[in-house]
Amino acid sequence: EPEVTQTPSHQVTQMGQEVILRCVPISNHLYFYWYRQILGQKVEFLVSFYNNEISEKSEIFDDQFSVERPDGSNFTLKIRSTKLEDSAMYFCASSDRGRGGGYTFGSGTRLTVV
Amino acid sequence: AQTVTQSQPEMSVQEAETVTLSCTYDTSESDYYLFWYKQPPSRQMILVIRQEAYKQQNATENRFSVNFQKAAKSFSLKISDSQLGDAAMYFCAYCRGGSEKLVFGKGTKLTVNP
Repeated sequence: EPEVTQTPSHQVTQMGQEVILRCVPISNHLYFYWYRQILGQKVEFLVSFYNNEISEKSEIFDDQFSVERPDGSNFTLKIRSTKLEDSAMYFCASSDRGRGGGYTFGSGTRLTVV
Repeated sequence: AQTVTQSQPEMSVQEAETVTLSCTYDTSESDYYLFWYKQPPSRQMILVIRQEAYKQQNATENRFSVNFQKAAKSFSLKISDSQLGDAAMYFCAYCRGGSEKLVFGKGTKLTVNP
């Protein structure tokens, strides 16, 4: 069964450093997403991406965050200057039908900011 | 803003028995979608079942079925013949028809006892 692949599975970074979280969506999917889950809390939407541009973003997704599809297979989330409160699980997801679709999620990247 | 409430932080069930997880949501929209996701200890979010609000028929997927009560804004998940592998966090989620953003509840931790 097709999978969404995320790397790395765990990343530790120092506060203030930039991190890039990587995702390989399912190959025929056109809609891509990032969500995060702070330990013990809800899963929260960050951003959706379609046709090489952001289609929707949450208030969490401020100027510290950016997304990119640098080639035909990868989808990345960059956090420019990490803060302690950015520590969370970050999930990438993809969908073949956008609105109302059931996404396929990756296994997540656990980001720890120290 | 739309909200999703899961009133049961934890539930337990005996293997082979049936369990129902509750979910209510708040929306003024008529076009929306509802989902149940499973998050096992591996942390990956797995789509269990999807319901379109305009469909009166309750969605089913093998041992998983929902009781969708649109007027009451209720969307419960029934797991029949529970198996040890069903042990996980279960998240109810809502998506407005014109959006791609999933709004999640806080989750219910399901334990399956042998």
